[in-house]
Amino acid sequence: SQTIHQWPATLVQPVGSPLSLECTVEGTSNPNLYWYRQAAGRGLQLLFYSVGIGQISSEVPQNLSASRPQDRQFILSSKKLLLSDSGFYLCAWSPNGREAFFGQGTRLTVV
Amino acid sequence: GEDVEQSLFLSVREGDSSVINCTYTDSSSTYLYWYKQEPGAGLQLLTYIFSNMDMKQDQRLTVLLNKKDKHLSLRIADTQTGDSAIYFCAESGPGNTGKLIFGQGTTLQVKP
Repeated sequence: SQTIHQWPATLVQPVGSPLSLECTVEGTSNPNLYWYRQAAGRGLQLLFYSVGIGQISSEVPQNLSASRPQDRQFILSSKKLLLSDSGFYLCAWSPNGREAFFGQGTRLTVV
Repeated sequence: GEDVEQSLFLSVREGDSSVINCTYTDSSSTYLYWYKQEPGAGLQLLTYIFSNMDMKQDQRLTVLLNKKDKHLSLRIADTQTGDSAIYFCAESGPGNTGKLIFGQGTTLQVKP
């Protein structure tokens, strides 16, 4: 069966520090991969979308970047975090562009 | 533009039915979804409906879609305390990209 892993679960980082969040999917190949952010008390906003290795589409302008170095690995990064980057970050995958399955999320607090 | 709207809060008694409503704006959306989020956790896909259907039933869950009014609802029969969570409505936009547009979520509180 397919599973999705995200880590870390929680992270507290100072302003100006770098960020790397990792997401991996098991049990499937060539999935679509997504990074979403959920701000406090709000719905999810799509940040990045990938249909294959090295193929990244940015959905909103921001301080973050994404990379897909392997088929089932999706990384969210920042060189210098801002306070406004705080939030709940969720990775998701889809086998067919129809159903999307989410990881457990990373709670990022920038202080 | 694309926008999905939901009421923010619903409170019901255990054993009653819950109905969570959602409106969307993109009439070209291929699929519409309901996700459940428990505190501190990721989103769990509950069910989804193809845009040319008007109803889908899955055990205690019934999804109704009124495409003319762009209105989607989720009915939970015999609501249990374990159903307490935030419920998100989402639309897919056109095609099969999997890029979802979410509402703000409805917090369902189930009182014993």
